[in-house]
Amino acid sequence: EVQLVQSGAEVKKPGESLKISCKGSGYNFVSYWIGWVRQMPGEGLEWMGIIYPGDSDPRYSPSFQGRVTISVDKSISTAYLQWSSLKASDTATYYCVRPDCGSASCYPDYGLDVWGQGTTVIVSS
Amino acid sequence: DIQMTQSPSSLSASVGDRVTITCRASQSIGTYLNWYQQKPGKAPKLLIYAASNLQSGVPSRFSGSGSGTDFTLTISSLQSDDFAIYYCQQSYGPPRTFGQGSKLEV
Repeated sequence: EVQLVQSGAEVKKPGESLKISCKGSGYNFVSYWIGWVRQMPGEGLEWMGIIYPGDSDPRYSPSFQGRVTISVDKSISTAYLQWSSLKASDTATYYCVRPDCGSASCYPDYGLDVWGQGTTVIVSS
Repeated sequence: DIQMTQSPSSLSASVGDRVTITCRASQSIGTYLNWYQQKPGKAPKLLIYAASNLQSGVPSRFSGSGSGTDFTLTISSLQSDDFAIYYCQQSYGPPRTFGQGSKLEV
């Protein structure tokens, strides 16, 4: 079974750093892009960025460029999303996703067909 | 960025109703439009990809249509399990963008 399993919920203080993870299984991890989606409390879905494990080159949405870092360790089939200095506005649920890519650049895609279960991050003093 | 606008933002319906949700893109995106269903506390689930293709395992009462800038998601006969929030998403150009969501309520 193809799965993305994310790390558990986190409660942090403003200014702290954080790295959450997403482990892929049931497929050839290095051959599929992995993306991240934010959902703030009671709000909609926002695309954050994507990475190809084969070359570890992340692509960020302009709204998140410079605010987060997306990385991958293909030796353990795991993608990461990290912050160096959290803000209260980072409070959200974060999903990793696997697009069904229609090209080498993964634009267009044919849907985000595999989702992690979500990691809830709460940032509060 | 390509802006995606859904309507309505919320709607009330009953079991057995036919329901249509629309999604409009700020520029032409061909048929690179996907639809998702999200239930409370759960990850979204892909329903329709490339505007009109039913994802494997999704009931046939769900259908999608459209191209260019205007798209629709139709549920032919609402079931109790269908009350949820629905999102459209374009994959034509980076970055991917989502509609704001349409909440389907009893």
